[in-house]
Amino acid sequence: ILNVEQSPQSLHVQEGDSTNFTCSFPSSNFYALHWYRWETAKSPEALFVMTLNGDEKKKGRISATLNTKEGYSYLYIKGSQPEDSATYLCAPNQAGTALIFGKGTTLSVSS
Amino acid sequence: EPEVTQTPSHQVTQMGQEVILRCVPISNHLYFYWYRQILGQKVEFLVSFYNNEISEKSEIFDDQFSVERPDGSNFTLKIRSTKLEDSAMYFCASGARTTGTGELFFGEGSRLTVL
Repeated sequence: ILNVEQSPQSLHVQEGDSTNFTCSFPSSNFYALHWYRWETAKSPEALFVMTLNGDEKKKGRISATLNTKEGYSYLYIKGSQPEDSATYLCAPNQAGTALIFGKGTTLSVSS
Repeated sequence: EPEVTQTPSHQVTQMGQEVILRCVPISNHLYFYWYRQILGQKVEFLVSFYNNEISEKSEIFDDQFSVERPDGSNFTLKIRSTKLEDSAMYFCASGARTTGTGELFFGEGSRLTVL
């Protein structure tokens, strides 16, 4: 069973704060790493699909980095806004297998 | 924008009853998945489906579960004899490519409550 760890489990920040979370996964047989954003009462929505070691992707104020050798990815949010409040899920993909999700990091942003 | 749709949004059933959850994936997608989330726990993989057959399934997906794509558009999950522990939010997802390169698109989920 693929062991995916996300930390912290939850955090609460003030509007304008920048924050980051971690996803750890086994580095063996790595194929891709997905990040999803999941707002309450909605469906998970893809943020990034990352495949290359050292990859860095950006979407607006959100960016992610990937280290496949040591098995971790960071998600950064710059200048958090209340609409960033959601659960952020990571899911690594080993070659030929389905995505296995971590428990997620739940972010709450106060205005 | 194309989206994955799921029905019903909520179903309440008695233990031992059969349940069918329906999904309409995005039309040009080839890869289909069911996931579930028991309240307070993480999203768990159930099954993946490609080229009209199961490509992978988890240990959760036992003989009580089945999937089919009867008419080229719908993708269904059947639970033959529901148990209390099947109560969960069930998510359907589809993708145009394998998850090695492409993202998944999720439906909004079907909440199953087994009494």
